[in-house]
Amino acid sequence: DSGVTQTPKHLITATGQRVTLRCSPRSGDLSVYWYQQSLDQGLQFLIQYYNGEERAKGNILERFSAQQFPDLHSELNLSSLELGDSALYFCASSEGDEQFFGPGTRLTVL
Amino acid sequence: SQKIEQNSEALNIQEGKTATLTCNYTNYSPAYLQWYRQDPGRGPVFLLLIRENEKEKRKERLKVTFDTTLKQSLFHITASQPADSATYLCALYAFDRGSTLGRLYFGRGTQLTVWP
Repeated sequence: DSGVTQTPKHLITATGQRVTLRCSPRSGDLSVYWYQQSLDQGLQFLIQYYNGEERAKGNILERFSAQQFPDLHSELNLSSLELGDSALYFCASSEGDEQFFGPGTRLTVL
Repeated sequence: SQKIEQNSEALNIQEGKTATLTCNYTNYSPAYLQWYRQDPGRGPVFLLLIRENEKEKRKERLKVTFDTTLKQSLFHITASQPADSATYLCALYAFDRGSTLGRLYFGRGTQLTVWP
């Protein structure tokens, strides 16, 4: 158990809908990262927050947004969903160089 | 373009042998390199980190080497066991051109199967 929690574990929705994925980092970790993993793309970095502020941005679509709250939990919002957004979404947290990944949310867009 | 290649999508070896996984990269100047293990449907788990000025790192049955001239890292599992069967991901921490912020770039992974 990494200490990072993610909810929900599974999410099934339809194209055009909007969903919110939630992540609670390990106690004391200020950095939160979001990744997308699909069969054809591998693990892709989306965005990083540090103590509530956006720190780095990767291959995140404009339809996606994230935020980190004062209690350090983070949410990833995915809107106008497309079939290609079906993937595993991981959250990770870190204090130093090592990242601790959550169990992931499997998103299926029908 | 920036690329990380993990040679062999799949590697099958017999229990007790040494598994060697390869990670090659182009167009990066990584500050450090990490190896993660990922089991099906689960999040990656950190194994080892090696910095650009280090040649070799060991942890129990694991050994990683880093050659910044060849732009290659080798990951070894000695005395392999069926429980070592998983996907192993190579990740480079590097800075985007013109940026002071770095991030991890992951390879696609090598699926290792250790058979009895």
